[in-house]
Amino acid sequence: GEDVEQSLFLSVREGDSSVINCTYTDSSSTYLYWYKQEPGAGLQLLTYIFSNMDMKQDQRLTVLLNKKDKHLSLRIADTQTGDSAIYFCAEISSGGSYIPTFGRGTSLIVHP
Amino acid sequence: DGGITQSPKYLFRKEGQNVTLSCEQNLNHDAMYWYRQDPGQGLRLIYYSQIVNDFQKGDIAEGYSVSREKKESFPLTVTSAQKNPTAFYLCATSTGQGSPLHFGNGTRLTVT
Repeated sequence: GEDVEQSLFLSVREGDSSVINCTYTDSSSTYLYWYKQEPGAGLQLLTYIFSNMDMKQDQRLTVLLNKKDKHLSLRIADTQTGDSAIYFCAEISSGGSYIPTFGRGTSLIVHP
Repeated sequence: DGGITQSPKYLFRKEGQNVTLSCEQNLNHDAMYWYRQDPGQGLRLIYYSQIVNDFQKGDIAEGYSVSREKKESFPLTVTSAQKNPTAFYLCATSTGQGSPLHFGNGTRLTVT
């Protein structure tokens, strides 16, 4: 079945860039999403990319997609303490029921 | 103000009791989902509904039940058959067909 993998933790210094990585196995993945979850809250959609795109930029966020390697990354420029949260990668394939598969989430810790 | 309302935010129950978690939306979305989140395990799909009066089991449906009598509402009942019910429960909606999920703020259920 489909699988989405993420590293569990990332620690960065305030002001540096953060790069959160995600790999997926479903070659028919069409939609790829990044969500942010703050403590005790639901998931907030940050950005998304379609499989026919290589890159998408939205203010401090840059999403890169390497479809050949099935690798997705989220870069956060000028990381702030308010960016500390869990980040989830999710993919939806067009070949099935359109139910998303989520990674386990990466905890981003930003320290001064 | 459009959104997804999950209530209550915190819920405490004694073992052996059934409990129902509420999820209401005014986004006019067709699809609704229930996820369970445990520390370090990401999101696991319990049930989903793509249209009124129809729903399907997700990956961990045992011990749970749902109904979808109205488009706006998708309540989840955690029954006494659920072995480890203590968790954070998230409701989500989407317009379907690969569109992103929108999440409520979750209900934290504690069963003792």
